[in-house]
Amino acid sequence: DIHMTQSPSTLSASVGDRVTITCRTSESINNWLAWYQQKPGKAPKLLLYKASTLERGVPLRFSGSGSGTEFTLTISNLQPDDFATYYCQQYHDYSPLTFGGGTKVEIK
Amino acid sequence: QVQLQESGPGLVKPSQTLSLTCTVSGGSITRAGYYWSWIRQSPEKGLEWIGYIYPTGTTNYNPSLKSRVAISVDTSKNQFSLKLDSVTAADTAVYYCATRHDSPYYFTYWGQGTLVTVSS
Repeated sequence: DIHMTQSPSTLSASVGDRVTITCRTSESINNWLAWYQQKPGKAPKLLLYKASTLERGVPLRFSGSGSGTEFTLTISNLQPDDFATYYCQQYHDYSPLTFGGGTKVEIK
Repeated sequence: QVQLQESGPGLVKPSQTLSLTCTVSGGSITRAGYYWSWIRQSPEKGLEWIGYIYPTGTTNYNPSLKSRVAISVDTSKNQFSLKLDSVTAADTAVYYCATRHDSPYYFTYWGQGTLVTVSS
């Protein structure tokens, strides 16, 4: 299985900040990576796929980059609605698909 | 707009079979290009992909669960189902059904999730 490591596990930030979350994989996955946002009691919401392609309807303040084994999710101008937990997911090896452990973005 | 809704028992006894159904609305489950997936989430294991089915019958399961899991489709009811045999407390989780049009590998549409607890 491809192991996914996210950092940090928790991030404290303020509205208007630019935040960056990192996802590292145990082997190269090219750019076969997705990012999700999850709020308490809700299902995850797809933000980006193929590392940097924004899902339809997702605000432009979300962006992704990276390839190989290191990826980043950046939220520019953090909004109140963005306080949530973020997960990366690889789909280079689809047996099994695997997720990162999550990064909680909390209010400073 | 596809909508998904999970249903099934919230409590299952150890060694028994967990059975959940996902009802699809907003379109036919047989429409081309849609793969129908199950994912679960627990505090211990985080998000864990279980598997998917394409309405032609093609399936792909997580190897760690493959010996215990089966996903099937009922086109007459526009539903797909999950069966997980010989459950233990480690199978306690929120179970989600999910899908996307052009890929079985990441997920745009999700159900609200249903908590299944394995306990005697």
